[in-house]
Amino acid sequence: QVQLQESGPGLVKPSGTLSLTCAVSGGSISSSHWWTWVRQPPGKGLEWIGEIFHTGSTNSNPSLKSRVIISVDKSKNQLSLKLTSVTAADTAVYYCARVRLIDLFRAFDIWGQGTMVAVSS
Amino acid sequence: DIVMTQTPLSLSVTPGQPASISCRSSQSLLHSDGKTYLYWYLQKPGQSPQLLIYEVSSRFSGVPDRFSGSGSGTDFTLKISRVEAEDAGVYYCKQGIDLPLTFGGGTKVEIK
Repeated sequence: QVQLQESGPGLVKPSGTLSLTCAVSGGSISSSHWWTWVRQPPGKGLEWIGEIFHTGSTNSNPSLKSRVIISVDKSKNQLSLKLTSVTAADTAVYYCARVRLIDLFRAFDIWGQGTMVAVSS
Repeated sequence: DIVMTQTPLSLSVTPGQPASISCRSSQSLLHSDGKTYLYWYLQKPGQSPQLLIYEVSSRFSGVPDRFSGSGSGTDFTLKISRVEAEDAGVYYCKQGIDLPLTFGGGTKVEIK
């Protein structure tokens, strides 16, 4: 079955760029699903970051303004997240998840295990 | 943005007893297609969230039938008919009718 695995640096300096990848296995990233990023600050709730379709179409949370870049690499069957100009407020566990499109519309049915990113000098 | 408000923040339940969590949205989640895009997720300690309920009341594959969802418009409820130890964790509601997608603040369920 489809599995998702996030990876990336666990520590990013303030004002730097957070870069994460989410590898999709057991299925194609070009299937009829969107793929999304969600984050969770320590001890807090879930925040939707944005989503991408394999065509490159994206949507992102306006709260993150123009700092979010989500992309897909079909050759590697993975999606990526870049968050620029990070501050301590961006410290969180970052999850990628699959978004159902045709049925269970906008349900996040498969999640990665998450990766913790701390922003600190 | 649609604001999702969950109550209570936490509850402690004896195994075998029922539990109920409420979720209220700042706007109706009823779409013009006739469906209501309200979901429930459970995040067990140390784990990623997992989908429980979609479109208010449909259980996702493998979810026990002791979990049920109900509601309409802006008011929704997740009920656990007989709580088991494995049901401990934080429950989140989420709306899918409008971007940005938004989650409720979460309800922590503790098993006595």
